[in-house]
Amino acid sequence: NAGVMQNPRHLVRRRGQEARLRCSPVKGHSHVYWYRQLPEEGLKFMVYLQKENIIDESGMPKERFSAEFPKEGPSILRIQQVVRGDSAAYFCASSPPGQRSTSGANVLTFGAGSRLTVL
Amino acid sequence: EDKVVQSPLSLVVHEGDTVTLNCSYEVTNFRSLLWYKQEKKAPTFLFMLTSSGIEKKSGRLSSILDKKELFSILNITATQTGDSAIYLCAVDTQGGSEKLVFGKGTKLTVNP
Repeated sequence: NAGVMQNPRHLVRRRGQEARLRCSPVKGHSHVYWYRQLPEEGLKFMVYLQKENIIDESGMPKERFSAEFPKEGPSILRIQQVVRGDSAAYFCASSPPGQRSTSGANVLTFGAGSRLTVL
Repeated sequence: EDKVVQSPLSLVVHEGDTVTLNCSYEVTNFRSLLWYKQEKKAPTFLFMLTSSGIEKKSGRLSSILDKKELFSILNITATQTGDSAIYLCAVDTQGGSEKLVFGKGTKLTVNP
């Protein structure tokens, strides 16, 4: 049973280019989360999606960043016109529907991350 | 704003030592606290704590929560080099958002 799959693992972009990060959740998980980790910092929440819906995007910058989780295919985090400050590790996590009510907590399964470097 | 603070931020020990990692939190509507281990790949889940005073144990690792004083500790006994990692503490809150709020992590290095 594959876990959360993220690709690419490493991505190098020049300033002004676009970055697209992909995430395939655990099979059967319909909730996807994106977190960003800067050096020496903890994981910062960006966005929470369910199939075809953005549920909470309170942690995502309003400009240049967008996320989707289509009915078919992986979730995509898209960063347009990247700047050096976007260099970070981007982690995707997933959870099954109803987990909070059954287990009492939102235990997320994380992917290995995509490390974005902006030159 | 919800806040999770971990200490120390880094720790270097020798194999066989016992370590205690700390996590304190200030959040509205606490639901549960989670510990993750992050090596050079995906953070992996260790423990979930919802009730005060009940110790969770897995091999040489154990954790306990104090909801009155708003903190948790993660203990690792007889440390091994394979325990070297960043240990992340996160809090899950009740209410509309399902996001976890993470601390900065404690980087543990176990030397042979």
